Amino acid sequence: GQSLEQPSEVTAVEGAIVQINCTYQTSGFYGLSWYQQHDGGAPTFLSYNALDGLEETGRFSSFLSRSDSYGYLLLQELQMKDSASYFCAVRGAPSFQKLVFGTGTRLLVSP
Amino acid sequence: GAVVSQHPSRVICKSGTSVKIECRSLDFQATTMFWYRQFPKQSLMLMATSNEGSKATYEQGVEKDKFLINHASLTLSTLTVTSAHPEDSSFYICSARNGTNYGYTFGSGTRLTVV
Repeated sequence: GQSLEQPSEVTAVEGAIVQINCTYQTSGFYGLSWYQQHDGGAPTFLSYNALDGLEETGRFSSFLSRSDSYGYLLLQELQMKDSASYFCAVRGAPSFQKLVFGTGTRLLVSP
Repeated sequence: GAVVSQHPSRVICKSGTSVKIECRSLDFQATTMFWYRQFPKQSLMLMATSNEGSKATYEQGVEKDKFLINHASLTLSTLTVTSAHPEDSSFYICSARNGTNYGYTFGSGTRLTVV
């Protein structure tokens, strides 16, 4: 099966930089995705890494190390609206069609 | 872009009744859809994979007879919670692959409250 572990909660102030880590165990690997979810809303796609290294998308960047089964999401210039839950996700065995989510990290941004 | 429409957004039902949740892919064909359940402050847990024209594949521990899934067309999948009980109260979300290597489009979710 798959398991993805994340810190349960992270707090930061506006304008700061925060890193949300994800360690995973999976049989087969087809990339690591990151999603944002505000309370009561649907997950929205943020970033995807298929290969090792850093992917940058505006204020958000994501990093992957396949050898370490580890990735992180980096949020820069934090804004109040970034307060949300963040999930890493992988495509799950056996078909690798379904998306399996990590435990999730609640980010609280304060003024 | 790919849009998945999910209805209803909220539903309250009495214990013992059944509730149907619909998910439609609006501008693309979804041969496969996925149903998730999310309890407050928890992650999204995959319940089942819905396949057009065939039986759904349920995750371990999910009761097939309680959560009935029908995927009768390339654009519509339904989840019926049968004989609902208060412990079934949760946020249910559907999703579908949108054709990109990493892309999954999610419905807006259904908040089910069983009283």
